[in-house]
Amino acid sequence: DQQVKQNSPSLSVQEGRISILNCDYTNSMFDYFLWYKKYPAEGPTFLISISSIKDKNEDGRFTVFLNKSAKHLSLHIVPSQPGDSAVYFCAAARGNDKIIFGKGTRLHILP
Amino acid sequence: GAGVSQSPSNKVTEKGKDVELRCDPISGHTALYWYRQSLGQGLEFLIYFQGNSAPDKSGLPSDRFSAERTGGSVSTLTIQRTQQEDSAVYLCASSETVLNTEAFFGQGTRLTVV
Repeated sequence: DQQVKQNSPSLSVQEGRISILNCDYTNSMFDYFLWYKKYPAEGPTFLISISSIKDKNEDGRFTVFLNKSAKHLSLHIVPSQPGDSAVYFCAAARGNDKIIFGKGTRLHILP
Repeated sequence: GAGVSQSPSNKVTEKGKDVELRCDPISGHTALYWYRQSLGQGLEFLIYFQGNSAPDKSGLPSDRFSAERTGGSVSTLTIQRTQQEDSAVYLCASSETVLNTEAFFGQGTRLTVV
């Protein structure tokens, strides 16, 4: 049973436009959400996180939105740049429990 | 070192052989995770350690998989009698005591079973 779902395996966005990556979760007990970015042949790197007490967190070009009632979060990248092309993993955790990852979305930034 | 270190970076082994993967977490990080990524798949949780104990082993795919951690630092993931379906990138991550903070990943060990 997949507790964290990223339903789009891939996404293509024009350079300079907004990239929106979506993630749904099923466990209402999750209280911390994270986004990771992964380049080929490298380990994932932490990008941005949000606590369940917030509905928005910004860090430069990256903004994460959390909709608890819909059990949905999204990552916005504005403006998209070529270096943003990577696989993005959504992850969730509950208290002191393990981090659960989604299957990832491959983002292609088109020139 | 400053980051999570994994060795070897690549391992090719014959079906039926045992392999041992090593992870050196960031110094002072008490939580350590093992994940694997198979071709075209997401990150699959295997096991995590809090200190030297493993509260959750639910992700280990079979009894051929085992992991240990000693001294609250280095961890080894052992796969016995490897099968071709074990081929994947095995990723280790560590985080500070509170587990719901970001985990820092190593570069992974690419295991190929032939």
